[in-house]
Amino acid sequence: KNQVEQSPQSLIILEGKNCTLQCNYTVSPFSNLRWYKQDTGRGPVSLTIMTFSENTKSNGRYTATLDADTKQSSLHITASQLSDSASYICVVSAAGTYKYIFGTGTRLKVLA
Amino acid sequence: DAGVTQSPTHLIKTRGQQVTLRCSPISGHKSVSWYQQVLGQGPQFIFQYYEKEERGRGNFPDRFSARQFPNYSSELNVNALLLGDSALYLCASSLDVTTHTGELFFGEGSRLTVL
Repeated sequence: KNQVEQSPQSLIILEGKNCTLQCNYTVSPFSNLRWYKQDTGRGPVSLTIMTFSENTKSNGRYTATLDADTKQSSLHITASQLSDSASYICVVSAAGTYKYIFGTGTRLKVLA
Repeated sequence: DAGVTQSPTHLIKTRGQQVTLRCSPISGHKSVSWYQQVLGQGPQFIFQYYEKEERGRGNFPDRFSARQFPNYSSELNVNALLLGDSALYLCASSLDVTTHTGELFFGEGSRLTVL
C-alpha cells in the first residue's frame, strides 16, 4: 500500500535554531517527492520538488534531501523564523499516475 | 497573474443539505484536482479532471461529484451532507495530468462546516 509517514508529528523550537523533519514513504514506482508548507487554514505552498536522480535541493533556508534507496527524505530548516510556524507536508507521487499521496504533516511552532 | 481561486471561502450547512464549491485554475492550466483536508490530517485526493474529463477518483462515496467546464474551471458537489464532511476543501491546478515534475498549485480552500 502506498503510504507516506512523517515525523515528528509536532515540534517546538526557538527562533534562530535549526530543525529537521523526516518523511518515509512506500510509494512505488517512485516518481517524485515534494515538500509543502501550509499555514493554518491556508492552501499548501510548494517548497521543493525532487525526482529519483536528485538527492538534495534548496530553497532559501529550506534544504530537502532524498535517499531513494531507503525511501527517506528530510527537510532541514536553517535559522528558523517565527514565520516558519506552519505544517510541513511531504507528498509523493507514483510514476504514470495522477495521484499524490500526502503525509499527515509535521506541525512546527517557532517561539521567540 | 491570479493564482488558483476558490469560492466560497467559508460556508456553514446542516446535515442533509447539498453544497457546491467552485475553483478557477491558473490561466493556461488544464488539470484541476480536489482534496479534502480534515483538521490535523493531510489532504485526501477526491477527483482529478483534465480537459473536462474525469481522470481519477479517490475513495469517496457517490455523494461526491465534480465536473470541469470548457474554461477549465471546476465545481465540486457534495450531496446529503454528513457531519464528517466538515473539512477544508482544496483545489489544485497543474498544466497537465501527469505528476512527473509538474508544479501543483493550491488555492486557499473552502472551509465547510456541517452542523
